[in-house]
Amino acid sequence: SYELTQPPSVSVSPGQTARITCSGDALPKQYAYWYQQKPGQAPVLVIYKDSERPSGIPERFSGSSSGTTVTLTISGVQAEDEADYYCQSADSSGTPYVVFGGGTKLTVL
Amino acid sequence: QVQLVESGGGVVQPGGSLRLSCAASGFTFSSYGMHWVRQAPGKGLEWVAFIRYDGSNKYYADSVKGRFTISRDNSKNTLYLQMNSLRAEDTAVYYCAKDPYDIVATYYFDYWGQGTLVTVSS
Repeated sequence: SYELTQPPSVSVSPGQTARITCSGDALPKQYAYWYQQKPGQAPVLVIYKDSERPSGIPERFSGSSSGTTVTLTISGVQAEDEADYYCQSADSSGTPYVVFGGGTKLTVL
Repeated sequence: QVQLVESGGGVVQPGGSLRLSCAASGFTFSSYGMHWVRQAPGKGLEWVAFIRYDGSNKYYADSVKGRFTISRDNSKNTLYLQMNSLRAEDTAVYYCAKDPYDIVATYYFDYWGQGTLVTVSS
């Protein structure tokens, strides 16, 4: 098994750029996915396969990968982006193993 | 549009059982793998189980293996989670979630239901 590590919180002012990291030893071999979750709501996929953006997700959301760390970047943060963000990865080479990071609370100051 | 609607949550005593359902619409349910993911109050997300599009393969998190059973009825477009020997630590909102690609599972989630709360308490 392996773990994904995220910072518990990130704070930015409106209009600035927020970067949320996710670290894990398996990330060089496995894709990462990012979900946004607002209070009382279900998670929403915002980035898949490290850097792909689903239709309907604003262009200010982007993802990148470098070694054992993946990063979710939100450019020009808006108040509505305040939420919890979770990274996720999976190893399906044998018995599937799906893991989430602990989540990062993004606060828009 | 894709819709996933969970039901069946409630309060159950430790050691009890509960069956959750997830009614799917807006896509060809019989072509996609499906998952259950849970979230304890104030905590993060935890993957629970996966079932292949045709029900031929099922996988579970270690924390629920031997106690929970995932199943599906493609004629009814419905996913199930039978939960037995429930423990306090199983208290959570349970979400059903769709795998993005038909036939070949990729183990991430492009659509989620709104969740159903299961509380295990005496």
